Amino acid sequence: GENVEQHPSTLSVQEGDSAVIKCTYSDSASNYFPWYKQELGKRPQLIIDIRSNVGEKKDQRIAVTLNKTAKHFSLHITETQPEDSAVYFCAASRSGGSNYKLTFGKGTLLTVNP
Amino acid sequence: DVKVTQSSRYLVKRTGEKVFLECVQDMDHENMFWYRQDPGLGLRLIYFSYDVKMKEKGDIPEGYSVSREKKERFSLILESASTNQTSMYLCASSWGSASPLHFGNGTRLTVT
Repeated sequence: GENVEQHPSTLSVQEGDSAVIKCTYSDSASNYFPWYKQELGKRPQLIIDIRSNVGEKKDQRIAVTLNKTAKHFSLHITETQPEDSAVYFCAASRSGGSNYKLTFGKGTLLTVNP
Repeated sequence: DVKVTQSSRYLVKRTGEKVFLECVQDMDHENMFWYRQDPGLGLRLIYFSYDVKMKEKGDIPEGYSVSREKKERFSLILESASTNQTSMYLCASSWGSASPLHFGNGTRLTVT
C-alpha cells in the first residue's frame, strides 16, 4: 500500500517568513495530492490539492509543487501570519475505481511567532 | 456546504463494552471513511465504504467493524472496547475518486 512520509514534524517561523513542508510517497500510481490544515480543536480542512498532470498550483499565499519522478511534493506558505499556526497534513491517493482511499502523512505542527 | 455530523463529541466507555460511533453526511457522497487520530501518528484509516453495504479495510481495521445500510450513514463499531482504542475518531465523506474529504468534528473516545 501507499506510504507517505512528512517532514518536518514541527516547524517554527517568524511572522512574515516562508514555511515549507515536504512529503514523499511510495506508490508511483498515486496521482492526487491534497493538503489539509487542522487548527487546534477543529476538523481537518482542505487548503489546496494537486493532481499528477500539474507540476505546481498556487492559491494566494499557498503553493504546492509536485515532482512525480522523485515522488515528492511540498507545501509552501509565504508571508506567514499567526493564523497560519496549525497542524498540516499531506496525503496521497490513486484515482479511479472503488479502491479510493487517502493515505496521510503524520502531520507538521507549524507555529508562526508574532 | 457539506455537513458531516458525528453523533457524539465526547464518549467515555468501559473496557469490554460494545461501542457505536455514528456518522451522517448530507451531500449524497459515495465514499465514507473512518480515521483515528493520535498524537504523532497522524490520521490512520480504519475502514472505508464506496457504496451502500460495501466496505473495505483500511490500514488498522483490527478490533473494529463498520456498517453502511444507508448512503448517508456510516457507523463504526468497537465490538469489545479496549484501552488502546482511546483516541479521536474522525468520519469523512467524499463524492468520488480523488476528491476532497469533508470531515466531521470528531468523537473523542475514552475507554477506561
